Amino acid sequence: QTVVTQEPSLTVSPGGTVTLTCASSTGAVTSGYYPNWFQQKPGQAPRALIYSTSNRHSWTPARFSGSLLGGKAALTLSGVQPEDEAEYYCLLHYGGAQLGVFGGGTKLTVL
Amino acid sequence: EVQLVQSGAEVKKPGESLKISCKGSGYSFTSYWIGWVRQMPGKGLEWMGIISPSDSDTRYSPSFQGQVTISADKSINTAYLQWSGLKASDTAIYYCARHIPGATTVTTRIDFWGQGTLVTVSS
Repeated sequence: QTVVTQEPSLTVSPGGTVTLTCASSTGAVTSGYYPNWFQQKPGQAPRALIYSTSNRHSWTPARFSGSLLGGKAALTLSGVQPEDEAEYYCLLHYGGAQLGVFGGGTKLTVL
Repeated sequence: EVQLVQSGAEVKKPGESLKISCKGSGYSFTSYWIGWVRQMPGKGLEWMGIISPSDSDTRYSPSFQGQVTISADKSINTAYLQWSGLKASDTAIYYCARHIPGATTVTTRIDFWGQGTLVTVSS
């Protein structure tokens, strides 16, 4: 059973920078896992932010960026805004990108 | 405008069957895979499986294989998620999501999501 691991919680100050990571139990995350990142606020459906490691959707603010860092997928928020407080999920693809596995989510607090 | 509109909330008893739906509009429904994602109360997202509406090719997460059935009717741009015998542990919000196919892979990303369907299973 493949497990995708994220930090359970992180706290950042308004205007600061924070990096969330996403690790795979199978080993280093590469671009072939096509990492995606999603934001979910309470009572709302998830919203797509990043795909294929580092590509923003047309609606994704430029302060969100994706990368590979130390064998993990990473989501960096620069110039954090109060409205960025949310749960963030990564999604990795396995089996030749036929199946997906979500990480457990990171609760980001802006304080 | 791309939209995925899901059917309304359901309250069912254990052992009952259920089929919920996700209707796509604003795009070519058969050109994208539709997936289903579970979110149990207070918990994270779980990827359940996907279907290609063009030919009903379906892939399931091992965790959900045999537990649910994913289907689609391309004539009415609708995908479905069904259970034949619900359990209390099936209580969750279920989201459908549009999956973009890759050049040589089944899927590489999700872009649009439905609003979610709350399924409550209780005696």
